Amino acid sequence: AQTVTQSQPEMSVQEAETVTLSCTYDTSESDYYLFWYKQPPSRQMILVIRQEAYKQQNATENRFSVNFQKAAKSFSLKISDSQLGDAAMYFCAYRSARGAQKLVFGQGTRLTINP
Amino acid sequence: KAGVTQTPRYLIKTRGQQVTLSCSPISGHRSVSWYQQTPGQGLQFLFEYFSETQRNKGNFPGRFSGRQFSNSRSEMNVSTLELGDSALYLCASSYEGTDYGYTFGSGTRLTVV
Repeated sequence: AQTVTQSQPEMSVQEAETVTLSCTYDTSESDYYLFWYKQPPSRQMILVIRQEAYKQQNATENRFSVNFQKAAKSFSLKISDSQLGDAAMYFCAYRSARGAQKLVFGQGTRLTINP
Repeated sequence: KAGVTQTPRYLIKTRGQQVTLSCSPISGHRSVSWYQQTPGQGLQFLFEYFSETQRNKGNFPGRFSGRQFSNSRSEMNVSTLELGDSALYLCASSYEGTDYGYTFGSGTRLTVV
Protein backbone atom coordinates (compact mmCIF):
# COMPACT_ATOMS: atom_id res chain seq x y z
CA ALA A 1 0.00 0.00 0.00
CA GLN A 2 1.12 3.51 -0.71
CA THR A 3 1.96 5.89 2.11
CA VAL A 4 2.63 9.61 2.20
CA THR A 5 4.66 11.29 4.94
CA GLN A 6 4.86 14.95 5.81
CA SER A 7 7.48 15.32 8.51
CA GLN A 8 6.77 18.96 9.37
CA PRO A 9 3.57 19.33 11.40
CA GLU A 10 4.01 23.12 11.48
CA MET A 11 5.99 25.71 9.57
CA SER A 12 6.12 29.46 9.72
CA VAL A 13 7.54 32.06 7.37
CA GLN A 14 7.78 35.82 7.15
CA GLU A 15 5.54 37.48 4.62
CA ALA A 16 7.28 37.88 1.23
CA GLU A 17 9.85 35.19 1.99
CA THR A 18 10.15 31.65 0.61
CA VAL A 19 9.22 28.46 2.39
CA THR A 20 9.54 24.79 1.43
CA LEU A 21 7.21 22.06 2.66
CA SER A 22 8.48 18.49 2.58
CA CYS A 23 6.73 15.33 1.45
CA THR A 24 7.97 11.80 0.92
CA TYR A 25 6.00 8.84 -0.30
CA ASP A 26 6.36 5.13 -0.64
CA THR A 27 5.13 3.15 -3.63
CA SER A 28 6.15 0.29 -5.83
CA GLU A 29 4.33 1.78 -8.81
CA SER A 30 6.05 3.66 -11.59
CA ASP A 31 3.05 5.59 -12.89
CA TYR A 32 1.24 7.91 -10.52
CA TYR A 33 0.26 11.48 -9.75
CA LEU A 34 1.23 13.70 -6.87
CA PHE A 35 -0.69 16.68 -5.58
CA TRP A 36 -0.46 19.46 -3.08
CA TYR A 37 -3.74 20.63 -1.62
CA LYS A 38 -4.36 23.65 0.58
CA GLN A 39 -7.06 23.65 3.25
CA PRO A 40 -7.82 27.09 4.72
CA PRO A 41 -10.17 27.57 7.68
CA SER A 42 -13.09 27.46 5.25
CA ARG A 43 -12.36 23.69 5.14
CA GLN A 44 -12.48 23.35 1.37
CA MET A 45 -9.50 21.49 -0.07
CA ILE A 46 -8.03 23.53 -2.90
CA LEU A 47 -5.69 22.04 -5.47
CA VAL A 48 -2.42 23.96 -5.47
CA ILE A 49 -0.29 21.98 -7.91
CA ARG A 50 -0.06 18.55 -9.52
CA GLN A 51 2.78 16.47 -10.94
CA GLU A 52 2.72 13.45 -13.22
CA ALA A 53 5.37 10.92 -12.27
CA TYR A 54 6.40 10.34 -15.89
CA LYS A 55 7.30 14.00 -16.34
CA GLN A 56 10.81 14.94 -15.30
CA GLN A 57 10.08 18.65 -15.41
CA ASN A 58 8.96 20.09 -12.11
CA ALA A 59 5.48 21.62 -12.10
CA THR A 60 5.07 25.35 -11.50
CA GLU A 61 1.96 27.42 -10.82
CA ASN A 62 2.74 31.10 -10.31
CA ARG A 63 4.39 31.39 -6.88
CA PHE A 64 4.13 27.64 -6.24
CA SER A 65 6.62 25.11 -7.54
CA VAL A 66 7.63 21.58 -6.69
CA ASN A 67 10.88 19.70 -6.47
CA PHE A 68 10.02 16.20 -7.64
CA GLN A 69 12.73 13.62 -7.04
CA LYS A 70 11.30 10.32 -8.29
CA ALA A 71 14.19 8.10 -7.27
CA ALA A 72 14.19 9.56 -3.78
CA LYS A 73 10.37 9.51 -3.67
CA SER A 74 10.34 13.10 -2.58
CA PHE A 75 7.88 15.82 -3.57
CA SER A 76 8.46 19.16 -1.84
CA LEU A 77 6.45 22.34 -2.34
CA LYS A 78 8.12 25.74 -2.56
CA ILE A 79 6.07 28.86 -1.98
CA SER A 80 7.79 32.06 -3.09
CA ASP A 81 6.88 35.57 -1.99
CA SER A 82 4.63 34.21 0.77
CA GLN A 83 1.38 36.07 1.30
CA LEU A 84 -0.96 36.20 4.28
CA GLY A 85 -3.55 34.33 2.24
CA ASP A 86 -1.20 31.36 1.96
CA ALA A 87 -1.77 30.51 5.62
CA ALA A 88 -3.49 27.13 5.72
CA MET A 89 -3.00 23.40 6.17
CA TYR A 90 -1.13 21.89 3.25
CA PHE A 91 -1.58 18.26 2.30
CA CYS A 92 0.54 16.19 0.00
CA ALA A 93 -1.39 13.45 -1.80
CA TYR A 94 -0.68 10.46 -4.03
CA ARG A 95 -2.88 8.83 -6.60
CA SER A 96 -2.13 5.75 -8.62
CA ALA A 97 -2.40 6.19 -12.38
CA ARG A 98 -3.78 2.72 -12.96
CA GLY A 99 -5.01 1.39 -9.67
CA ALA A 100 -7.71 2.55 -7.30
CA GLN A 101 -8.99 6.02 -8.02
CA LYS A 102 -8.36 7.43 -4.58
CA LEU A 103 -6.08 9.95 -2.96
CA VAL A 104 -3.68 8.92 -0.22
CA PHE A 105 -2.91 11.93 1.95
CA GLY A 106 -0.09 12.87 4.25
CA GLN A 107 -0.83 14.16 7.74
CA GLY A 108 -0.52 17.79 6.69
CA THR A 109 1.65 20.79 7.50
CA ARG A 110 0.16 23.86 9.10
CA LEU A 111 1.70 26.94 7.52
CA THR A 112 1.67 30.26 9.36
CA ILE A 113 2.57 33.51 7.63
CA ASN A 114 4.03 36.19 9.93
CA PRO A 115 3.37 39.78 8.82
CA LYS B 1 -19.58 26.90 -13.05
CA ALA B 2 -20.91 25.72 -9.68
CA GLY B 3 -18.51 23.85 -7.44
CA VAL B 4 -19.02 20.70 -5.41
CA THR B 5 -21.92 21.24 -3.02
CA GLN B 6 -22.23 19.37 0.23
CA THR B 7 -25.22 19.52 2.53
CA PRO B 8 -25.70 20.06 5.34
CA ARG B 9 -22.67 22.04 6.49
CA TYR B 10 -23.09 21.06 10.11
CA LEU B 11 -24.89 18.20 11.80
CA ILE B 12 -25.27 17.09 15.40
CA LYS B 13 -26.51 13.57 16.05
CA THR B 14 -26.88 11.27 19.02
CA ARG B 15 -25.09 7.96 19.41
CA GLY B 16 -27.03 5.14 17.81
CA GLN B 17 -28.77 7.35 15.27
CA GLN B 18 -28.13 7.26 11.57
CA VAL B 19 -27.21 10.12 9.25
CA THR B 20 -27.25 10.83 5.52
CA LEU B 21 -24.91 13.33 3.89
CA SER B 22 -25.34 14.67 0.39
CA CYS B 23 -22.89 15.69 -2.32
CA SER B 24 -23.63 17.31 -5.68
CA PRO B 25 -20.61 17.16 -7.99
CA ILE B 26 -19.56 19.64 -10.62
CA SER B 27 -21.71 19.32 -13.71
CA GLY B 28 -20.20 16.71 -16.01
CA HIS B 29 -18.21 15.00 -13.29
CA ARG B 30 -19.23 11.37 -12.95
CA SER B 31 -16.76 10.25 -10.29
CA VAL B 32 -17.53 11.11 -6.67
CA SER B 33 -15.31 10.18 -3.74
CA TRP B 34 -15.82 10.54 -0.02
CA TYR B 35 -13.19 11.16 2.65
CA GLN B 36 -13.29 11.31 6.42
CA GLN B 37 -11.06 13.86 8.13
CA THR B 38 -10.26 13.65 11.84
CA PRO B 39 -7.45 15.18 13.93
CA GLY B 40 -6.16 11.74 14.89
CA GLN B 41 -6.42 9.78 11.66
CA GLY B 42 -6.13 12.57 9.14
CA LEU B 43 -7.79 12.18 5.76
CA GLN B 44 -9.00 8.70 4.98
CA PHE B 45 -10.68 7.41 1.84
CA LEU B 46 -14.18 6.05 2.34
CA PHE B 47 -15.41 5.10 -1.13
CA GLU B 48 -15.63 6.17 -4.75
CA TYR B 49 -18.59 5.99 -7.10
CA PHE B 50 -18.68 6.20 -10.86
CA SER B 51 -21.84 5.93 -12.96
CA GLU B 52 -23.86 4.73 -9.97
CA THR B 53 -21.39 1.93 -9.18
CA GLN B 54 -19.06 1.72 -6.23
CA ARG B 55 -15.60 1.25 -7.73
CA ASN B 56 -13.42 1.49 -4.67
CA LYS B 57 -13.93 1.18 -0.96
CA GLY B 58 -11.73 2.14 1.94
CA ASN B 59 -11.19 0.29 5.18
CA PHE B 60 -14.31 1.32 7.05
CA PRO B 61 -16.96 -0.82 8.75
CA GLY B 62 -20.18 -1.73 7.01
CA ARG B 63 -22.01 1.01 8.93
CA PHE B 64 -20.63 3.37 6.31
CA SER B 65 -22.37 3.09 2.99
CA GLY B 66 -23.07 5.23 0.00
CA ARG B 67 -24.77 5.44 -3.31
CA GLN B 68 -24.79 7.51 -6.46
CA PHE B 69 -27.77 8.56 -8.50
CA SER B 70 -28.16 8.83 -12.26
CA ASN B 71 -27.44 12.58 -12.10
CA SER B 72 -24.13 11.78 -10.34
CA ARG B 73 -25.27 13.19 -7.03
CA SER B 74 -24.08 11.02 -4.18
CA GLU B 75 -25.13 10.30 -0.64
CA MET B 76 -23.29 8.61 2.16
CA ASN B 77 -25.01 7.04 5.12
CA VAL B 78 -23.66 6.16 8.52
CA SER B 79 -25.82 3.93 10.69
CA THR B 80 -25.60 3.31 14.42
CA LEU B 81 -23.45 6.36 14.99
CA GLU B 82 -20.54 6.18 17.40
CA LEU B 83 -18.68 9.02 19.10
CA GLY B 84 -15.66 8.23 16.92
CA ASP B 85 -17.64 9.02 13.78
CA SER B 86 -17.41 12.71 14.65
CA ALA B 87 -15.43 14.16 11.76
CA LEU B 88 -15.40 16.39 8.73
CA TYR B 89 -16.73 14.44 5.76
CA LEU B 90 -15.42 15.69 2.44
CA CYS B 91 -16.74 14.89 -0.98
CA ALA B 92 -14.69 15.27 -4.15
CA SER B 93 -15.61 14.98 -7.79
CA SER B 94 -13.54 14.49 -10.90
CA TYR B 95 -13.97 14.18 -14.64
CA GLU B 96 -13.18 10.71 -15.84
CA GLY B 97 -10.45 10.56 -18.41
CA THR B 98 -8.54 13.55 -17.15
CA ASP B 99 -6.01 13.79 -14.42
CA TYR B 100 -6.57 17.27 -13.24
CA GLY B 101 -7.10 16.13 -9.71
CA TYR B 102 -10.23 16.32 -7.68
CA THR B 103 -12.44 19.24 -6.77
CA PHE B 104 -13.56 19.15 -3.18
CA GLY B 105 -16.61 20.50 -1.43
CA SER B 106 -16.50 22.38 1.86
CA GLY B 107 -17.51 19.31 3.80
CA THR B 108 -20.08 18.35 6.38
CA ARG B 109 -19.01 18.66 10.00
CA LEU B 110 -20.67 15.79 11.88
CA THR B 111 -20.68 15.81 15.66
CA VAL B 112 -21.92 12.74 17.51
CA VAL B 113 -22.91 13.30 21.13
